[in-house]
Amino acid sequence: DGGITQSPKYLFRKEGQNVTLSCEQNLNHDAMYWYRQDPGQGLRLIYYSQIVNDFQKGDIAEGYSVSREKKESFPLTVTSAQKNPTAFYLCASSIGGTADTEAFFGQGTRLTVV
Amino acid sequence: GDSVTQMEGPVTLSEEAFLTINCTYTATGYPSLFWYVQYPGEGLQLLLKATKADDKGSNKGFEATYRKETTSFHLEKGSVQVSDSAVYFCALSDPFNPMTTDSWGKLQFGAGTQVVVTP
Repeated sequence: DGGITQSPKYLFRKEGQNVTLSCEQNLNHDAMYWYRQDPGQGLRLIYYSQIVNDFQKGDIAEGYSVSREKKESFPLTVTSAQKNPTAFYLCASSIGGTADTEAFFGQGTRLTVV
Repeated sequence: GDSVTQMEGPVTLSEEAFLTINCTYTATGYPSLFWYVQYPGEGLQLLLKATKADDKGSNKGFEATYRKETTSFHLEKGSVQVSDSAVYFCALSDPFNPMTTDSWGKLQFGAGTQVVVTP
């Protein structure tokens, strides 16, 4: 079945450590996105990529980094510079190209700083 | 910039009650509008969408009509079930602008509305 897979589902990080969240899709989508979800704040865009080897900052990119070396993969690194990384992270993908395309979401990764 | 405003929750209803979740938007062009649903501990799923004025999206008994004159996309369901308990997100997708790649298919979400349906 086609879809988006995020791993791990739960992740614990010590302060000062970098961690990488995995996102893989087999939908053959060009566009991929990372969102952060905090209670009562909806989803905020961290980074997005429209094509391989290209990505743009979203609304809250500080303290995060991404890469897009393959069409299927869009990993997110939460660096030690991110002041408040505890949150639910969602990866999404879409065909892209027009504004009416549906985004497909993974199951999310819950990151907790301990 | 573009934005989405939806009513705050939680909204608590009895089974078979009528549900309305208000959503209004601000956009410079002609966005596509979406409702997504999130069940506990999961990602988001598309519930319905509308891509132009006066379009009605519908799915699983839910409906929403794209009202350009009031910049609204309110979600309704005539008779809710306990299984409809979830968080509902209204979203818009920036219209395609050939002058820039920044607005290409990027979703802007509202804060979400939690709906709790009791038996």
